[in-house]
Amino acid sequence: DTGVSQDPRHKITKRGQNVTFRCDPISEHNRLYWYRQTLGQGPEFLTYFQNEAQLEKSRLLSDRFSAERPKGSFSTLEIQRTEQGDSAMYLCASSSMTVNTEAFFGQGTRLTVV
Amino acid sequence: RKEVEQDPGPFNVPEGATVAFNCTYSNSASQSFFWYRQDCRKEPKLLMSVYSSGNEDGRFTAQLNRASQYISLLIRDSKLSDSATYLCVVTGNYGGSQGNLIFGKGTKLSVKP
Repeated sequence: DTGVSQDPRHKITKRGQNVTFRCDPISEHNRLYWYRQTLGQGPEFLTYFQNEAQLEKSRLLSDRFSAERPKGSFSTLEIQRTEQGDSAMYLCASSSMTVNTEAFFGQGTRLTVV
Repeated sequence: RKEVEQDPGPFNVPEGATVAFNCTYSNSASQSFFWYRQDCRKEPKLLMSVYSSGNEDGRFTAQLNRASQYISLLIRDSKLSDSATYLCVVTGNYGGSQGNLIFGKGTKLSVKP
């Protein structure tokens, strides 16, 4: 499978715990994006990378969220001290750098904080 | 003003109907424009890019008006399989190159027999 893969697909955690999600982009893609989506809403931008550099991070993003892409390949998104409001689908996407290029999404990680 | 705004929907139409979705964006420096489709509990997938000259792909026609910062999607002869949420997407501008993808809230379309 050469698409974007995310792991795990589902995560249930207790409030206050830390969680980490992984995203493996399409291998030749330089750009990697993280989004969060709740029911009835469009994907909300969290952050994106060009190779290993984190170029933008949403101003709405709490300091409890951090993302890395250490070697410009896979990326991790960590949420510290999870809150119930963090429950959502976390989507990863990748694309090349060409203008008008398509971004391909993974199937997402569904986080439930109880 | 939200960065990308779409018709709130939902749109409920009979098979064969023509339906139009509208979208406005706030950043005049936006470089690229897309319509994505998202099926229930699935990830978003590209439906079509939107070019200044307008573009058509079968039953789907997209238009872009940069002066008005307005994007549209027209679906002709709608099919049951067109039922989905349609997401308007605009890219930011990062140092003159394409930045992040900014999604609208989405407009849900239900096509009925």
